[in-house]
Amino acid sequence: DTAVSQTPKYLVTQMGNDKSIKCEQNLGHDTMYWYKQDSKKFLKIMFSYNNKELIINETVPNRFSPKSPDKAHLNLHINSLELGDSAVYFCASSQEMGLTEAFFGQGTRLTVV
Amino acid sequence: RKEVEQDPGPFNVPEGATVAFNCTYSNSASQSFFWYRQDCRKEPKLLMSVYSSGNEDGRFTAQLNRASQYISLLIRDSKLSDSATYLCVVNIGNQGGKLIFGQGTELSVKP
Repeated sequence: DTAVSQTPKYLVTQMGNDKSIKCEQNLGHDTMYWYKQDSKKFLKIMFSYNNKELIINETVPNRFSPKSPDKAHLNLHINSLELGDSAVYFCASSQEMGLTEAFFGQGTRLTVV
Repeated sequence: RKEVEQDPGPFNVPEGATVAFNCTYSNSASQSFFWYRQDCRKEPKLLMSVYSSGNEDGRFTAQLNRASQYISLLIRDSKLSDSATYLCVVNIGNQGGKLIFGQGTELSVKP
């Protein structure tokens, strides 16, 4: 039983398209995150939600819109995709925001062509 | 200054070697510290939490120096399977509890 699962694993799309990545955790955690890992392998936090409430928005372009229908799900919708959006996007969850370890999904490798 | 900064890599070591990774963090209010491991094309996974008193898990020893804002990871008797990128992770407690990752240090253990 996968603890944090995200879909799809791979996503190839054209510039200008809109796409969504879904994430679900079955750990009963209160906090969920989206991280972006760029080509230099640097993992950067994008958003953090606690009990469906947006807590952290790290100056991400407003083309990126997270949505948390319940505390077990945090989806990421991206409008008007750009070449620079190509990266691996990781969803994660933790029991207490920032204080306990984060468990990561397997990642979504997004390629914008 | 970066919020979390690690040794530049890569580290190339022979099997059986002892290797040490260092990490510094900028926010004195940080409360939680971790070492993660990331294999190629995989997600990061927790290697160990880091406690003020220092802690050990088999061949791995983590230490924290709050005064110097410095964290270390020591790997003894390194194995081929230790080859991965090691990520220092620090919580920035006074900013809503972000987990900030260092840029990672790549370790390659050779036969």
